Amino acid sequence: QKEVEQNSGPLSVPEGAIASLNCTYSDRGSQSFFWYRQYSGKSPELIMSIYSNGDKEDGRFTAQLNKASQYVSLLIRDSQPSDSATYLCAVNGNSGYALNFGKGTSLLVTP
Amino acid sequence: EAQVTQNPRYLITVTGKKLTVTCSQNMNHEYMSWYRQDPGLGLRQIYYSMNVEVTDKGDVPEGYKVSRKEKRNFPLILESPSPNQTSLYFCASSLSLAGTGELFFGEGSRLTVL
Repeated sequence: QKEVEQNSGPLSVPEGAIASLNCTYSDRGSQSFFWYRQYSGKSPELIMSIYSNGDKEDGRFTAQLNKASQYVSLLIRDSQPSDSATYLCAVNGNSGYALNFGKGTSLLVTP
Repeated sequence: EAQVTQNPRYLITVTGKKLTVTCSQNMNHEYMSWYRQDPGLGLRQIYYSMNVEVTDKGDVPEGYKVSRKEKRNFPLILESPSPNQTSLYFCASSLSLAGTGELFFGEGSRLTVL
């Protein structure tokens, strides 16, 4: 069983702060890593993808990958109330035919 | 508009009454997949399809069937629904044959089995 682990939260941060979301995975052969955002009652939408070790920045979002530690993180700078959602970490394993999702971390950004 | 369309969006049914949840995508995607989402359990894959006539089981396939006769459609069939199949179901598609690319999700189908 390929495991993707996330803290369920809720993670509460004040508006303007940095939110840090973490994810670990068990399949050492995993190749591709994704962060999806899901608003309550809505479907998940992709916000970041990362494939190699290091940092990848896109606007206020930075994804970080450390394959040796089997660890992926998402940083959200200047957090806004509209960032309040559940963030799902997804990992594509060796087979390449399935995305395994973590259970998600609930983020609450307070004004 | 590029989209994944699921129907019905909401359904209440009774144990044992066969039902089909349809899924259609207009993006010419090779890869399609069904997930169910339950509180505390997250998104779990039911079945996926890499191309027409090619399907395979995900993590929780018991009680479900799928077919992929056309590239755009990937229906989910519950032959004899049971209350433990009460869930929120998502269909998703991806351009990449290996499913490594972005997954586009439908709006979800909330199913209640009494």
